[in-house]
Amino acid sequence: DAKTTQPNSMESNEEEPVHLPCNHSTISGTDYIHWYRQLPSQGPEYVIHGLTSNVNNRMASLAIAEDRKSSTLILHRATLRDAAVYYCILHYGGSQGNLIFGKGTKLSVKP
Amino acid sequence: EAGVTQSPTHLIKTRGQQATLRCSPISGHTSVYWYQQALGLGLQFLLWYDEGEERNRGNFPPRFSGRQFPNYSSELNVNALELEDSALYLCASSRPGTDYGYTFGSGTRLTVV
Repeated sequence: DAKTTQPNSMESNEEEPVHLPCNHSTISGTDYIHWYRQLPSQGPEYVIHGLTSNVNNRMASLAIAEDRKSSTLILHRATLRDAAVYYCILHYGGSQGNLIFGKGTKLSVKP
Repeated sequence: EAGVTQSPTHLIKTRGQQATLRCSPISGHTSVYWYQQALGLGLQFLLWYDEGEERNRGNFPPRFSGRQFPNYSSELNVNALELEDSALYLCASSRPGTDYGYTFGSGTRLTVV
């Protein structure tokens, strides 16, 4: 699986938007971009995924660069509950298979 | 819709014993994945089962094994437990196809003493 690069940590203020970047310069045409987050002492939680077009759901938005070599997870209004480790993962779309987790970005939210 | 359920929540074993962890996927999900997360470390992929077959295996010794049953539930067995096996073991499931997210359980906390 292709690799992703994320900042180790980010800080945000409560009720402000958060943009979490992810670089994936070696992405292939069939790789989906997945985002998961993990709160302390819990299993990872699916946030959003996409292939080429920007995606929105009730949790977040995913903005994918035109060349697909980078993407940004957008939390529109951060809450204290959004403090977690966020993982950006490339997943080969040709078949099912295990996700490979990197170190992710630890997001801190200040009240 | 019931989520991915794992049992037990906590498990304490003595070094050298065997541990069995169980996972029930979401209804309609045919693939089950196992991950190990040692304290303060990242998620390491262990095993992937789909339609009752082992499809992929991470870089773990053979004493880590498992199986998937006809109802798609799965169990992970760890033999000859070592102290460094103490970790949170997470199970995830996914439905057939590739354009879907994965759903994780809350994990089993295994402590080896």
